Amino acid sequence: QKEVEQDPGPLSVPEGAIVSLNCTYSNSAFQYFMWYRQYSRKGPELLMYTYSSGNKEDGRFTAQVDKSSKYISLFIRDSQPSDSATYLCAMRRIQGAQKLVFGQGTRLTINP
Amino acid sequence: DAGVTQSPTHLIKTRGQQVTLRCSPISGHKSVSWYQQVLGQGPQFIFQYYEKEERGRGNFPDRFSARQFPNYSSELNVNALLLGDSALYLCASSLGDLISNQPQHFGDGTRLSIL
Repeated sequence: QKEVEQDPGPLSVPEGAIVSLNCTYSNSAFQYFMWYRQYSRKGPELLMYTYSSGNKEDGRFTAQVDKSSKYISLFIRDSQPSDSATYLCAMRRIQGAQKLVFGQGTRLTINP
Repeated sequence: DAGVTQSPTHLIKTRGQQVTLRCSPISGHKSVSWYQQVLGQGPQFIFQYYEKEERGRGNFPDRFSARQFPNYSSELNVNALLLGDSALYLCASSLGDLISNQPQHFGDGTRLSIL
């Protein structure tokens, strides 16, 4: 079983829709949670970075962490065609090497 | 400000050869990590270096090695290349060390193809 599970999709939604992306994890030692966006032939770009359980909002993006359920989510409001990319969840422990453990990534397409 | 820069952007090698990939971190960042991303998968951690010392190693064979220089740039070396080493190799930098909560920022990677 993988430490981090993420549905690879693909996910296709119309422009303007609310998108929900999710990851589950099995290791309770994970305390930092991140969402990265990766365009084709590019490196991952940091979107959201959270530590505590609850919600964190940044513009059209909201990251949600539920440590009791070992479940994290990313919501995208008013989705745009430019949001079409692969979204990767990542997480790490507080101590030890700065080793990020990634999900498989969800490929998202926003249709105009 | 310049982000993480990696070179070369694309490389083609044959089985058994050796390769060196290079990374320059964001100015002021002292920690560099390397990841391997196979097509359709999330990145896998290979190494972390901080202040020129190895601080973490992933589940990769000894054919993989790395080092960090006094200017905090880094090289990843892979010997005796196998077809399965074909991947996007990503470098990430961050401000801090082991207990730091600073996030990692990635370069655009080196795409390595093994023939």
